[in-house]
Amino acid sequence: NAGVTQTPKFRVLKTGQSMTLLCAQDMNHEYMYWYRQDPGMGLRLIHYSVGEGTTAKGEVPDGYNVSRLKKQNFLLGLESAAPSQTSVYFCASSWRGRPGELFFGEGSRLTVL
Amino acid sequence: AQTVTQSQPEMSVQEAETVTLSCTYDTSESDYYLFWYKQPPSRQMILVIRQEAYKQQNATENRFSVNFQKAAKSFSLKISDSQLGDAAMYFCASPDEYNNNDMRFGAGTRLTVKP
Repeated sequence: NAGVTQTPKFRVLKTGQSMTLLCAQDMNHEYMYWYRQDPGMGLRLIHYSVGEGTTAKGEVPDGYNVSRLKKQNFLLGLESAAPSQTSVYFCASSWRGRPGELFFGEGSRLTVL
Repeated sequence: AQTVTQSQPEMSVQEAETVTLSCTYDTSESDYYLFWYKQPPSRQMILVIRQEAYKQQNATENRFSVNFQKAAKSFSLKISDSQLGDAAMYFCASPDEYNNNDMRFGAGTRLTVKP
């Protein structure tokens, strides 16, 4: 009963370092998303994908890149981490025909020093 | 862009009683969806309830129900017979009117349940 799995769960980076967050889902969902959650601001969409090989920008895409080479995986990359990217990152997935019915991972807490 | 506002940062309720969480939104669309998500201390968000704007009947899921006032752009969540397990952050959400794939979330309401 894995659902949506994110790795790693916690990471500490220094400014300028790069890293990749991995999201994997086993529900055969077409759509996948990356959100960030900051105190007092709810969740904001970074990037999303409506299918293998396609990605699109969300509300706050700057400083991030994504790739979806396989249907079940969605990667979020930070090429040069900044303190402003300290946040909790959530991956989610959904069926094409059920907009907004998101299945979330447990989150990844990233701290950039 | 869609704006979703939750004006109650914190709420508390006595176990077994009823509590209502408020949410307002802004859209020019006539047909859209509204959602309430629950985020317990474990952090993983789960969908609580969904409302389709073209349906006049308020959605209900067991102890959870909504009061949807389309003209007022209000979408409140009522939790009846509150249980200790209901303690969590609750987020109201709706897709952006220009991009259905961009879900817009409110800032959240932290619900405490007192035994």
